[in-house]
Amino acid sequence: AQTVTQSQPEMSVQEAETVTLSCTYDTSESDYYLFWYKQPPSRQMILVIRQEAYKQQNATENRFSVNFQKAAKSFSLKISDSQLGDAAMYFCAYTQRGGSNYKLTFGKGTLLTVNP
Amino acid sequence: GAGVSQSPSNKVTEKGKDVELRCDPISGHTALYWYRQSLGQGLEFLIYFQGNSAPDKSGLPSDRFSAERTGGSVSTLTIQRTQQEDSAVYLCASSPIHRGNQPQHFGDGTRLSIL
Repeated sequence: AQTVTQSQPEMSVQEAETVTLSCTYDTSESDYYLFWYKQPPSRQMILVIRQEAYKQQNATENRFSVNFQKAAKSFSLKISDSQLGDAAMYFCAYTQRGGSNYKLTFGKGTLLTVNP
Repeated sequence: GAGVSQSPSNKVTEKGKDVELRCDPISGHTALYWYRQSLGQGLEFLIYFQGNSAPDKSGLPSDRFSAERTGGSVSTLTIQRTQQEDSAVYLCASSPIHRGNQPQHFGDGTRLSIL
C-alpha cells in the first residue's frame, strides 16, 4: 500500500520569505502523480501544484515550486515570497497512474503560519 | 454552481441516529469521491463513483456506511446508527473523468458531530 509522510506538523515563515515543506512517500509503482493541496480554515481543499512522476522537470506554479526526487521518493514544496494568504494546512497527496482506483492518499498535513 | 457543493455544512446529531450527507459535483464531472477527515486518522478515502457505479467500496469503515449516486450527479453518503467515532469532516470531490492526472475539486465539507 502507498503511504505519504509529512514530517513537519507545523512550520512558520516570515512574510516575503521562502519556506519549504517536506513530503516523502512509499510506493512500488514506477508511474504515479503527486499533488500538494492547501486547506485554509474554510475547509475547502485547493490544488496548489501537481507533478507527474514520469516527468523529470519539477513543476512550478507562480510562487510555488516542487523539488521532486524520484529515487529518494521525496516531493517537497517551496513557497517563495510568502504571503499572509498562504497560511493554511498543506497536504501532500499521491495517486496511481495505472489501475482503476485513483483515490488520493494523503499525508497528515503541515500547518503553515505566516508572520507579518 | 461553479464548484462542488456539500450540504449540510454542519450537522449535530445524537448517537444512534441516521444521517445523510449530500454532495453536488461540478456539472459534467463523471467521477466523484468521498473522503473523511478526522483528528486521529487524517484524510481517508471512503468511496468513489464513476458515473452511478461504485466499483470500490473498500474504504467504507463499516457496513453502517453506504453511498449512492443517481443520474450521474448528486451523491448521498448515509451513516446509520451513528457512533461518536463517526464525528469528522466529510469531504466530497469530483473530477471530469476518473483518471490519476485529473485534479480532484473539493467541496467545503460537512462537519458531523455525534453527541
